[in-house]
Amino acid sequence: EAGVAQSPRYKIIEKRQSVAFWCNPISGHATLYWYQQILGQGPKLLIQFQNNGVVDDSQLPKDRFSAERLKGVDSTLKIQPAKLEDSAVYLCASSAQSSGGTEAFFGQGTRLTVV
Amino acid sequence: LAKTTQPISMDSYEGQEVNITCSHNNIATNDYITWYQQFPSQGPRFIIQGYKTKVTNEVASLFIPADRKSSTLSLPRVSLSDTAVYYCLVGDWVGTASKLTFGTGTRLQVTL
Repeated sequence: EAGVAQSPRYKIIEKRQSVAFWCNPISGHATLYWYQQILGQGPKLLIQFQNNGVVDDSQLPKDRFSAERLKGVDSTLKIQPAKLEDSAVYLCASSAQSSGGTEAFFGQGTRLTVV
Repeated sequence: LAKTTQPISMDSYEGQEVNITCSHNNIATNDYITWYQQFPSQGPRFIIQGYKTKVTNEVASLFIPADRKSSTLSLPRVSLSDTAVYYCLVGDWVGTASKLTFGTGTRLQVTL
């Protein structure tokens, strides 16, 4: 079974530039998560999709971050404009269950450095 | 929002059993307890999940007392490759989907 695919693996941009990350979840998984992980901290949930609908984006900085899930499958996360404090690893995860216990599968992440 | 508290770090020697305890005093009736493992430069990986009593799989055991206000992840005979950060999560409901909220985790260092 193929895992969660993310691209790119690494990205370096200057502040005020824009950047986009792509995620392809495991086939058939209805729930998709985007997390931001700053060095030394636990992952912080940015947005959660159920199929192509948003169920939680309470911690997404909506003035600069946006995300969409195309046809309930692939997803993109965009930052525009980027700030220095956006330097982090951006993790995508997906899960099959929509109720009860959940096992989420994570991609390797995209390491973003803003200079 | 059910919050979890776990030790920041733990040290162990190879071959020992390691027990990591997590407190979750405000756990809700429908919440499950899930543990994830994360190696450097990788995404977290699911280890084990439980609702009550004891759950065991090929990797670990999870002990949950009757009041469910805490849980203990037990790793038998750890090896150097078990050095990682371990996260305790309590399922937080948003609509019909589980919200996975990570804390700061426990950094386990295994040495010879």
